[in-house]
Amino acid sequence: EVQLVESGGGLVQPGRSLRLSCTASGFAFGDYALSWVRQAPGMGLEWVGFIKSQIYGGTTQYAASVEGRFTISRDDSNSIAYLQMNSLKTEDTAVYYCTRVSHSVSTGYSEGDYWGQGTLVTVSS
Amino acid sequence: DIQMTQSPSAMSASVGDRVTITCRASQDISNYLAWFQQKPGKVPKRLIYAASSLQSGVPSRFSGSGSGTEFTLTISSLQPEDFAIYYCLQQNSYPRTFGQGTKVEIK
Repeated sequence: EVQLVESGGGLVQPGRSLRLSCTASGFAFGDYALSWVRQAPGMGLEWVGFIKSQIYGGTTQYAASVEGRFTISRDDSNSIAYLQMNSLKTEDTAVYYCTRVSHSVSTGYSEGDYWGQGTLVTVSS
Repeated sequence: DIQMTQSPSAMSASVGDRVTITCRASQDISNYLAWFQQKPGKVPKRLIYAASSLQSGVPSRFSGSGSGTEFTLTISSLQPEDFAIYYCLQQNSYPRTFGQGTKVEIK
């Protein structure tokens, strides 16, 4: 069974840092890209960023709202993806989800075939 | 960035109704579009990918169509468990962008 479990959320002051983890099981983690998606309270879904599999270079992409502050990385030996969040702002308050990204020649990279349960990050003084 | 505009933002419908939700992209995204369903307090669930491919395990009353800039999610006969918020997501280029969501409520 495919599982994604986020952890590391909590209350943090503006300007501080936090690192979220996404621990995967039930599939060949190293073969897949992963994305992070967030949802502010009462709001819609916002794509945060993406990391390819190491097979395809492990390259990353980010939303403009987090570019330069957030970094996605992966540890394939332990099946964990990370979201390092620096210089946090109050507007970063949200539930953060990691999602698996399926890939094929015909469909390209397609986020969201599996999701974690999410972890809440609250940025407040 | 590609802008995704969903319509309507909200709608009321009855069980058994045929429901159509539209998503428009600000530029051509070919068929690189997915649809998600989110119920209150729950994790989003992918219904459709590549504009018209049904995700495994999703009921066949859900279907997707379109290409280029205009896409449609159709629920052929609305069921009680389908009352939720629906989002489209363009997967043609980065950054990915979601539509603002369509809330389907009980009439």
